[in-house]
Amino acid sequence: TQLLEQSPQFLSIQEGENLTVYCNSSSVFSSLQWYRQEPGEGPVLLVTVVTGGEVKKLKRLTFQFGDARKDSSLHITAAQPGDTGLYLCAGESGGYQKVTFGTGTKLQVIP
Amino acid sequence: NAGVTQTPKFRVLKTGQSMTLLCAQDMNHEYMYWYRQDPGMGLRLIHYSVGEGTTAKGEVPDGYNVSRLKKQNFLLGLESAAPSQTSVYFCASSYSLGLAGGEEQYFGPGTRLTVT
Repeated sequence: TQLLEQSPQFLSIQEGENLTVYCNSSSVFSSLQWYRQEPGEGPVLLVTVVTGGEVKKLKRLTFQFGDARKDSSLHITAAQPGDTGLYLCAGESGGYQKVTFGTGTKLQVIP
Repeated sequence: NAGVTQTPKFRVLKTGQSMTLLCAQDMNHEYMYWYRQDPGMGLRLIHYSVGEGTTAKGEVPDGYNVSRLKKQNFLLGLESAAPSQTSVYFCASSYSLGLAGGEEQYFGPGTRLTVT
């Protein structure tokens, strides 16, 4: 089983601070997605990255796919309480049955 | 347009009991999935379906069975529940298979199952 390790596991910050969440693996992925999950709900897709070195921005969120396609990062600028949730990465390698979800980063933004 | 719905939302079973979780989607998606989510483990794929009448095993299929008799429904069965199956179960659906095209999986709200 391929492993996608996310760090940190938990993060509690004040509103307005910046943060970075990491998603790392020893495996190469053909594509990688980031999801946000709020309590009592299912994950919701934020972004998909497919090219090594690719950077995508979604308002205050910046996603980067590593050059070797083994890792990814999510950077949030000026975090807001609405950013609170569980952030999950998911990588695909060798077909859909090889999709692996990361262990998750639980983010709390305090007003 | 309800998206993906799951029933029930909560359930407590005793070891050895059986139950069926129902997932329904109204987006006419071909592909449907069942995951379980455990603390520190992320989401793990149990079974998936690429169309009506077809199912396939995922990463952790043991102890579970599935059926897709109608395109809009995907059922997950536990024939003899075990404490190791205590988890939150999520159903998802998508228009196509795989992540590379940016294809989004739409998730239901989850079913919290406790097996005592």
